[in-house]
Amino acid sequence: SQKIEQNSEALNIQEGKTATLTCNYTNYSPAYLQWYRQDPGRGPVFLLLIRENEKEKRKERLKVTFDTTLKQSLFHITASQPADSATYLCALRYGGSQGNLIFGKGTKLSVKP
Amino acid sequence: EAEVAQSPRYKITEKSQAVAFWCDPISGHATLYWYRQILGQGPELLVQFQDESVVDDSQLPKDRFSAERLKGVDSTLKIQPAELGDSAMYLCASSSPHAGGLDNEQFFGPGTRLTVL
Repeated sequence: SQKIEQNSEALNIQEGKTATLTCNYTNYSPAYLQWYRQDPGRGPVFLLLIRENEKEKRKERLKVTFDTTLKQSLFHITASQPADSATYLCALRYGGSQGNLIFGKGTKLSVKP
Repeated sequence: EAEVAQSPRYKITEKSQAVAFWCDPISGHATLYWYRQILGQGPELLVQFQDESVVDDSQLPKDRFSAERLKGVDSTLKIQPAELGDSAMYLCASSSPHAGGLDNEQFFGPGTRLTVL
């Protein structure tokens, strides 16, 4: 079965630095890969989507890359702020536009002032 | 801004009791999902509806869990009887390929935190 690994449970960085989170998957490539943010006690909030034929996507201070050879996605937050502290979830979708999402366990990011 | 509504936000019950959770998706969203999220894990899909029809319930423990979306709008997830291992956050999400934003984006509600004693 498909496995998704987010490389670390927690990541601590200093304000102003770039945070880089990793998502690795096994087996075949998904149709899409998504990143969500989840604050404690809240539901996940969609951030970015990248398709299998795209290498990079950007949105303000966020950047996502997708390497189907390495079977890996990297999620970057530049000029990080304490307000960026949250758990970030990687999710893969297979089987068309309404296929199921498979979520990773998430990486808890803490940005220290 | 439109949001997915869920109630209750918190539920404490004793094992062997019945519990029910309610979800009202964003208006016009045809697809509705129920997920279970255990602390420290990612959400896991329990059931997916397209309008009033079940599209995928392969991960739903059907001996004790049931879900319905009778009129294709709001939905109820029921557990009977509840077990200690059911303690988790139950999340509802909705999506529509015709929403104003990106297709395939799922909008999540705030969740129901269930504690089984």
